Amino acid sequence: GQQLNQSPQSMFIQEGEDVSMNCTSSSIFNTWLWYKQDPGEGPVLLIALYKAGELTSNGRLTAQFGITRKDSFLNISASIPSDVGIYFCAGQRTAGNMLTFGGGTRLMVKP
Amino acid sequence: NAGVTQTPKFQVLKTGQSMTLQCAQDMNHNSMYWYRQDPGMGLRLIYYSASEGTTDKGEVPNGYNVSRLNKREFSLRLESAAPSQTSVYFCASSPGQASGNTIYFGEGSWLTVV
Repeated sequence: GQQLNQSPQSMFIQEGEDVSMNCTSSSIFNTWLWYKQDPGEGPVLLIALYKAGELTSNGRLTAQFGITRKDSFLNISASIPSDVGIYFCAGQRTAGNMLTFGGGTRLMVKP
Repeated sequence: NAGVTQTPKFQVLKTGQSMTLQCAQDMNHNSMYWYRQDPGMGLRLIYYSASEGTTDKGEVPNGYNVSRLNKREFSLRLESAAPSQTSVYFCASSPGQASGNTIYFGEGSWLTVV
C-alpha cells in the first residue's frame, strides 16, 4: 500500500536543541497529521494541517503542510526530556479516506 | 475519561491458538479501526468499521477477522495465530469519516506468538 517516507528514523539529541523531521510522498495528500507516541502508549494527535502552505504551532511544536501537498515538516524547538518518543506523520487524501502513516521518527533526548 | 479501551494489554500465544482482542470507546464515535505496529513500519490498518453494522478490509487483513458488536465495541480475532502476527495492536476510533479523521487511539496490546 501507499507508504509515507519519514526521516530521520531516529535522532539522539542534547536537551535544548531544536529538532526537525519530515515526511514525503510520491502522491498528494489533502490533510497531514502529526502524532506522538510515548513508550507503552498509543499515538496522540499533536497537529493537524488542512491547507497547502499552512504553518501551525502547538507550543514548542511547529508543523507545515508543504506547498506541493506531497510533504510535511515538524519542528520541535528547545527540546526537553519529555519530548522523548516516536513521532508519526499521517496523510489523508480526501475526507473519508483512511490515513496512511509514516514509519516514525524515534526521538531520544539527553538531559 | 476512558476514551478508547482495549484488552488485554499483553498476551503470549502459541502458534495455532486463537484469541480475541477487545476494544470499546465511550466517545459515541461512528468509526473504529484496528492497526498493527511493527518496528520501522509505522501503523498499518488491518480492518475498519466506518459505522455500526459495517466492516471493511484495510491494508493487512489476512489472518484476522473483526466484529462490530455495537456502536461502542469492535473486536479483532486471530483464528490461528502465527509468529508473523507478533506485533503491537492498536484500536482507534473517530467521529466519522465525513467528519474529518481525528483518530483517537487506545493504549495498545502487545501480542507475542511463539
